[in-house]
Amino acid sequence: DVKVTQSSRYLVKRTGEKVFLECVQDMDHENMFWYRQDPGLGLRLIYFSYDVKMKEKGDIPEGYSVSREKKERFSLILESASTNQTSMYLCASRTGTSGVYTTDTQYFGPGTRLTVL
Amino acid sequence: KNQVEQSPQSLIILEGKNCTLQCNYTVSPFSNLRWYKQDTGRGPVSLTIMTFSENTKSNGRYTATLDADTKQSSLHITASQLSDSASYICVVSADRDDKIIFGKGTRLHILP
Repeated sequence: DVKVTQSSRYLVKRTGEKVFLECVQDMDHENMFWYRQDPGLGLRLIYFSYDVKMKEKGDIPEGYSVSREKKERFSLILESASTNQTSMYLCASRTGTSGVYTTDTQYFGPGTRLTVL
Repeated sequence: KNQVEQSPQSLIILEGKNCTLQCNYTVSPFSNLRWYKQDTGRGPVSLTIMTFSENTKSNGRYTATLDADTKQSSLHITASQLSDSASYICVVSADRDDKIIFGKGTRLHILP
């Protein structure tokens, strides 16, 4: 089975702190994604990566950056956390061709619920 | 504008009953449509995927239908169980610009 793990299930940070969210997948997938999920808004794509050291902005990249130094690991970074970044963050991975489109399935991690005070 | 609309927003039914969730989309050109199930506090898990040429797909007690002409999909759950309580998310992929568009989900509650 594909396994996507995220470093923390729950995280509480203060405004202005630098926050790292880690995601690891064990299926050698090329593509990895970071989403945030908010009530009434559904999942929104922050960034995705289709290869090591490659990254593409999603729909809401402002306030976030990412890092993919190894194929299995995709990190989401909040340089200076703000209260409006309180959310559920979901990582996903998928095999297939580069980019977002493919019929292959995305496999999601369990999510990290981040609260910024 | 590419959009995916789901209805109802939430639904409460008794255990053992059937229910149908709706998904309407305006994504064009259409590539494929997926239904995901998301348990509380967990990531979404894929239930079904349908491409343009498929109009029905089953996964156990879950049956998804697709009408590409009217751009509508439904997810039918038969003989509901308490474990079906979850959010169900419709996701449509566009065959251009590498876009995946998520619906906001339907929150289903199954009561004993």
